[in-house]
Amino acid sequence: AQTVTQSQPEMSVQEAETVTLSCTYDTSESDYYLFWYKQPPSRQMILVIRQEAYKQQNATENRFSVNFQKAAKSFSLKISDSQLGDAAMYFCAYLSNFGNEKLTFGTGTRLTIIP
Amino acid sequence: SAVISQKPSRDICQRGTSLTIQCQVDSQVTMMFWYRQQPGQSLTLIATANQGSEATYESGFVIDKFPISRPNLTFSTLTVSNMSPEDSSIYLCSVAPGPETQYFGPGTRLLVL
Repeated sequence: AQTVTQSQPEMSVQEAETVTLSCTYDTSESDYYLFWYKQPPSRQMILVIRQEAYKQQNATENRFSVNFQKAAKSFSLKISDSQLGDAAMYFCAYLSNFGNEKLTFGTGTRLTIIP
Repeated sequence: SAVISQKPSRDICQRGTSLTIQCQVDSQVTMMFWYRQQPGQSLTLIATANQGSEATYESGFVIDKFPISRPNLTFSTLTVSNMSPEDSSIYLCSVAPGPETQYFGPGTRLLVL
């Protein structure tokens, strides 16, 4: 079974600065997807960014980018120019490409933005 | 992407009662999922609901406690039966419009007294 580990329960960053959230995972599969979801106080789960394991190029979405290290099974999220609206819980998630579409989530990192 | 709505958005219920949560999506999707998020915790998959077949439950979740309906490709319900305070959680539905991602509804916040 796959596992996802987020070792940082809480992080904080000064507004306009850059922060990196860590995620590692364990799998025996070679083809899969990785995600970062954001959950603000409203509790809505918002997809931030997605990475296909077969792509070497790191995904980027505006101020959000990932550092995907497949051999190390590491998938970190970098938020540039942090904004107050980025304050939320961030969950890393794994999706197998073999069948059941089941997302496996990490325990989350609470990000605080300091004005 | 997909636009997903859930009803109710929140509820306070008495122990021993049941609550049915509705999930509506704006497009036809084969796979829908129900997750539970207990206070301060991550998301845990309850079951996968495919239209035209019985829901598939994850370990620790049973149909008698969490019956699910999937009458068509845009709608599903989850019932939390015979509730206890331990069922107080956020319940989220999600859909997989393609093989590579999932989108979530806004969640239903349930408090059982």
